Amino acid sequence: GQNIDQPTEMTATEGAIVQINCTYQTSGFNGLFWYQQHAGEAPTFLSYNVLDGLEEKGRFSSFLSRSKGYSYLLLKELQMKDSASYLCAGKDSNYQLIWGAGTKLIIKP
Amino acid sequence: IAGITQAPTSQILAAGRRMTLRCTQDMRHNAMYWYRQDLGLGLRLIHYSNTAGTTGKGEVPDGYSVSRANTDDFPLTLASAVPSQTSVYFCASSGQGDSNEQFFGPGTRLTVL
Repeated sequence: GQNIDQPTEMTATEGAIVQINCTYQTSGFNGLFWYQQHAGEAPTFLSYNVLDGLEEKGRFSSFLSRSKGYSYLLLKELQMKDSASYLCAGKDSNYQLIWGAGTKLIIKP
Repeated sequence: IAGITQAPTSQILAAGRRMTLRCTQDMRHNAMYWYRQDLGLGLRLIHYSNTAGTTGKGEVPDGYSVSRANTDDFPLTLASAVPSQTSVYFCASSGQGDSNEQFFGPGTRLTVL
C-alpha cells in the first residue's frame, strides 16, 4: 500500500533549528513535496524534491533520499510565524499526491 | 479573480440535502482536484480532473460527483449529504512544469447534521 509517515507534533524554540522527518512508500515515485498549513487556512507549497540531496530556499531546506524513502524539512532561525502544520506528500506513478497527516509545529518564545 | 476561489466559505446542511461546492481558477491550469481534510488524517483525494471534459475517482469518491465542463470550473456535488461528509473541503489546481505543485483554494467548511 501507499503510506506517508511523519510525526504528529513537534515543539521548538524561537531562533532555533528544527528538522521534520517524513518516510514514504508510494507505488512509483515522481517527487516529494512539502507544504505549510496555518490553522484554518489552505496548504501552501514550500518545496519539491525529485533527485537525492538538499534543496535550500532561504530559511527552509528539504532533503530527499530515494533509496531510503526518506525526506526531511529543515527550518532555521525559527520565527513565531512558523507555527503551523507541515504536510509531506509523495507523488505516485499516477502523478497523484499521497499525503501525510501533517506535523504540527509549535514554536515557543 | 486571482488564483483559485471556493464557495461557500462554510455551510451547515441537513442530512439528505443536495449540495454543490463551487471551485473556480483563473490560472488556466489543466488539472484540478477535490480533497477533504479531517482531523488527524492527511488530505484525501475525492475526485480529480486532468483536463476539461475528463474526470477520475480518487481515494474516497463515494457520495460525491464532479463535472469539468470547462478549464476554469470544477464543482463538487453531494447528492444526499450524510453526517460523515462533515469536513473541510479543498479544491486545488496544478499546471505544467517539473514540479506541478498544487495551488489550493481557501476551503469550504461543511457541517452535515
